[in-house]
Amino acid sequence: GDSVTQMEGPVTLSEEAFLTINCTYTATGYPSLFWYVQYPGEGLQLLLKATKADDKGSNKGFEATYRKETTSFHLEKGSVQVSDSAVYFCALPRDDKIIFGKGTRLHILP
Amino acid sequence: GAGVSQSPRYKVAKRGQDVALRCDPISGHVSLFWYQQALGQGPEFLTYFQNEAQLDKSGLPSDRFFAERPEGSVSTLKIQRTQQEDSAVYLCASSLVGSYDGYTFGSGTRLTVV
Repeated sequence: GDSVTQMEGPVTLSEEAFLTINCTYTATGYPSLFWYVQYPGEGLQLLLKATKADDKGSNKGFEATYRKETTSFHLEKGSVQVSDSAVYFCALPRDDKIIFGKGTRLHILP
Repeated sequence: GAGVSQSPRYKVAKRGQDVALRCDPISGHVSLFWYQQALGQGPEFLTYFQNEAQLDKSGLPSDRFFAERPEGSVSTLKIQRTQQEDSAVYLCASSLVGSYDGYTFGSGTRLTVV
């Protein structure tokens, strides 16, 4: 069945460092791909999305490119901030549900 | 309301006790979803409603889990005879029909079974 695999955390970086969180997927067809973020004490929020191969989703300085050839959707940010500390989930929709990865916790040190 | 509201935020239940978790979706959102998020894991689908109709309950882990949305708005997830493995955060989300990126999640109910 469809699935999403993302790198395990926690990931700890200093402020202004470059961030990559890896995500690969297994799916029939070419679904949309999402990154969700969960800040402490808050609900999941959609961070960005891409709907087809080679699409780049971007939001709040984060980017991810839908790579069909490597079945990947890695999340990147050029310069992280303390406020980016959260849990990040890679996800894909299938039928009436969303399939999530296990999440990657990110800690940014000032 | 402005967002999806879930109550209670925290619930501690003794093993064997029945619990009821409430979700108030965004007004006008036809679709409502329940997910279970175990510690250190991603959310996993439990069930889906479109208005009052429960269209998919394939994710409910056992017949101790029951969800309803009788008037197509507020939904309740009920767990009977709770067990320790039921300990998790239960997330509710609502959206307009057919809108994956319109999902709005609530903050969840953290259930701890002792």
